[in-house]
Amino acid sequence: QKEVEQDPGPLSVPEGAIVSLNCTYSNSAFQYFMWYRQYSRKGPELLMYTYSSGNKEDGRFTAQVDKSSKYISLFIRDSQPSDSATYLCAMIHGSGNTGKLIFGQGTTLQVKP
Amino acid sequence: GAGVSQSPSNKVTEKGKDVELRCDPISGHTALYWYRQRLGQGLEFLIYFQGNSAPDKSGLPSDRFSAERTGESVSTLTIQRTQQEDSAVYLCASSSPGPVGAFFGQGTRLTVV
Repeated sequence: QKEVEQDPGPLSVPEGAIVSLNCTYSNSAFQYFMWYRQYSRKGPELLMYTYSSGNKEDGRFTAQVDKSSKYISLFIRDSQPSDSATYLCAMIHGSGNTGKLIFGQGTTLQVKP
Repeated sequence: GAGVSQSPSNKVTEKGKDVELRCDPISGHTALYWYRQRLGQGLEFLIYFQGNSAPDKSGLPSDRFSAERTGESVSTLTIQRTQQEDSAVYLCASSSPGPVGAFFGQGTRLTVV
């Protein structure tokens, strides 16, 4: 079993829809959770990071962590065609805020105009 | 520089040859990571350097793979006797001690023919 599980999709939605992307994990020691966006043939770029449980909002993006369920989510409101990309969740393995980054497989999102 | 720089951006090599991939991290970043991404797949952890600590080499797939980093500067990933299965994008990332996640370069696309 992988430490971080993420449905690869693809996920296709119409423009303006609310998108929900999710990851589950098995290691209860994970403390820092991140979401990356990767456009085709580019390196991943950091979207948001969250420490421990709770919500964090940044513009149209909301990251949610439920440590009791070992489940994290990224919500995108009013989705745009420019949001079409692969979204990867990542978690830090180890104590503190630096350590090996473990990634999910990534979910491919397509937002249709 | 402003971001993580990787070179070359593309590399085509013959099976059995050795290759060296270079990563210049963001200045001041103490942590450096190497990942491999096969076509349509997620990020596979290879190796992690943190300051002067012993690197975490747990992701290196075979003894044909090695990586070095001098201090908090440039890192080189070397693949000896390349095989076709080594064809992938090799991504480098660096991070500061703060809880902000890692920043990626654009990757080196390696093709073994």
